[in-house]
This record gives sequence, C-alpha cells and structure tokens, in this order.
Amino acid sequence: DADVTQTPRNRITKTGKRIMLECSQTKGHDRMYWYRQDPGLGLRLIYYSFDVKDINKGEISDGYSVSRQAQAKFSLSLESAIPNQTALYFCATSAGGELFFGEGSRLTVL
Amino acid sequence: AQSVTQPDIHITVSEGASLELRCNYSYGATPYLFWYVQSPGQGLQLLLKYFSGDTLVQGIKGFEAEFKRSQSSFNLRKPSVHWSDAAEYFCAVGAGTGNQFYFGTGTSLTVIP
Repeated sequence: DADVTQTPRNRITKTGKRIMLECSQTKGHDRMYWYRQDPGLGLRLIYYSFDVKDINKGEISDGYSVSRQAQAKFSLSLESAIPNQTALYFCATSAGGELFFGEGSRLTVL
Repeated sequence: AQSVTQPDIHITVSEGASLELRCNYSYGATPYLFWYVQSPGQGLQLLLKYFSGDTLVQGIKGFEAEFKRSQSSFNLRKPSVHWSDAAEYFCAVGAGTGNQFYFGTGTSLTVIP
C-alpha cells in the first residue's frame, strides 16, 4: 500500500459543485502539502500544514480550502468548482527536507 | 524570492545518446535540490537529491546531477538514455529547513529509436 494515499484518483464534476479531495498518510510526518499541476506550469503550492493546528496558504490558495483532521489526514476542498480548476492535484508529506508524493487526483470540471 | 528555472520545455534524444537537463535556481542560502520524474499518467518519483557534501550525486535509473554553486545550477545527466526514460522531469528546491519547496515548470523528454 502507498504511504501517501489520495482519493478519488479521478473525478469529473460540474461547475458550481463542491468537491473534496482527501489525503491520508502512514509515514507519521507532521508536514503535509497540496500541490496543483498544470501542463507547462509545473507544480504550484495550494496549501500546507506543519501540524494539525498550523495551516498556511500557498501561492494559489484562492478558490480552495483545506482541513487537517488529524496528523495523518489533510483534505482539499473546492467550495464551488470552476473549469479552470481542472488539473492534477498532488498531496505530499515531508520530513528531513524531502517531499513524498501521493499518486495524484485528476479533477475535471465541466 | 526563491525560484527554479528549467529552460528547456522539451528535449528529444536518440536512444543510447547522452542526456543533460538543465536546472537553475534562485535562493539566498544553500538549498536542498531535487530531481523528480513523472512518467505518463503517473505520480512523481524522486530520482536524486542534494543536501550537502559531494556536489556530484548519484540517483536511481543511472541518473546523476551536479550542484554548481557558482552557477546556481543542478543539471541532471545520464550517459545513455533508454526508451523507458521518456517522461517529464522536474527540478525542485527545498528552502530553509525544508519547509518550502519550489518546482520548475518541467522538461518533457522524448526518446526516439
């Protein structure tokens, strides 16, 4: 089983719908991240959390919110999805200065 | 501000040829440096990393990278490319104590027979 698990792996939704992407980890890391990948733009940081009570905005947080339910769980929500949020989303944890990625969640907003 | 530049959007090489992917970074202190590979439809796999010490680092799949402080570069190399190396490659910088990570926009590698 993967150390960093994302669900769902693929999701198609409609404009205006609320969407939640979930991430859980078994690595025991305190630090967790949500990134968005778009072709030609690389990975951009949406939100990050250094522990359950510490959540920080990244460079592209507008339109997104997060919840750190436990050390092992970090969810990303799109309150009202729009087509330009169509992207591949990655959850990651870090420790010792290194990132560990989940397998990604592909979201399509029609 | 920290940033990572991968100047080559797309590179095509013949199988068996050597490969060098360029990465330049902007960061005020000694950074943590990484190369990740993403095969089509897959997640990101760590190829190699540099934290300190020997500036030539070896990674998986026969890749290596060299940290050159004077040039703010961390170029990825492989002496002989295999068709299975076709993928997207990302350079990344870890800033501070590893709290923040910045990615380049990626280089897409095509390998022709």
